[in-house]
Amino acid sequence: DVKVTQSSRYLVKRTGEKVFLECVQDMDHENMFWYRQDPGLGLRLIYFSYDVKMKEKGDIPEGYSVSREKKERFSLILESASTNQTSMYLCASSLGHGGTEAFFGQGTRLTVV
Amino acid sequence: GEDVEQSLFLSVREGDSSVINCTYTDSSSTYLYWYKQEPGAGLQLLTYIFSNMDMKQDQRLTVLLNKKDKHLSLRIADTQTGDSAIYFCAENESFQKLVFGTGTRLLVSP
Repeated sequence: DVKVTQSSRYLVKRTGEKVFLECVQDMDHENMFWYRQDPGLGLRLIYFSYDVKMKEKGDIPEGYSVSREKKERFSLILESASTNQTSMYLCASSLGHGGTEAFFGQGTRLTVV
Repeated sequence: GEDVEQSLFLSVREGDSSVINCTYTDSSSTYLYWYKQEPGAGLQLLTYIFSNMDMKQDQRLTVLLNKKDKHLSLRIADTQTGDSAIYFCAENESFQKLVFGTGTRLLVSP
């Protein structure tokens, strides 16, 4: 059974903290993505990666960075968490070519206080 | 990114048909998708349609695509309470990057 696993379901962090959100997939997918989901705004792409050590900015990269040192793992980093980064974060993966489906993790609900 | 628009809410009675609409902007999209998100869960692919098709049927689901108007719809026949969820349409860009709509929250009442 295909799987995308996010390390935490719920996270509470203080303003200014450095936050790491981890995502692991077991499908040998080339592409991995980080989205944030906010009510009324749908899913917005933060960053994506199409290969190890490769990354591309999405639509809202400000305040975030990513790391992909191994094919199966894609980390989202909030360098200095702020209250406006309180959101649901969703990780996804897909095949590099010819794939038609993106597989999603269950999401991490991050609250910054 | 491109804008994909959906209405935010839809309420139907159990047994009725539901129609969820979506407009997209990128005419070069190869695939268009419908994803479902149940409470507390990630997104799951419901169905997708190639851009050279105008209709796809899959059991209770019917997808209609009007490329001229860049309009996509999802019809759920005989809607059940278990269909209550948020439905997202999405179009693909390069590297399988998906651009999602705002999501439509479907509420099915008994």
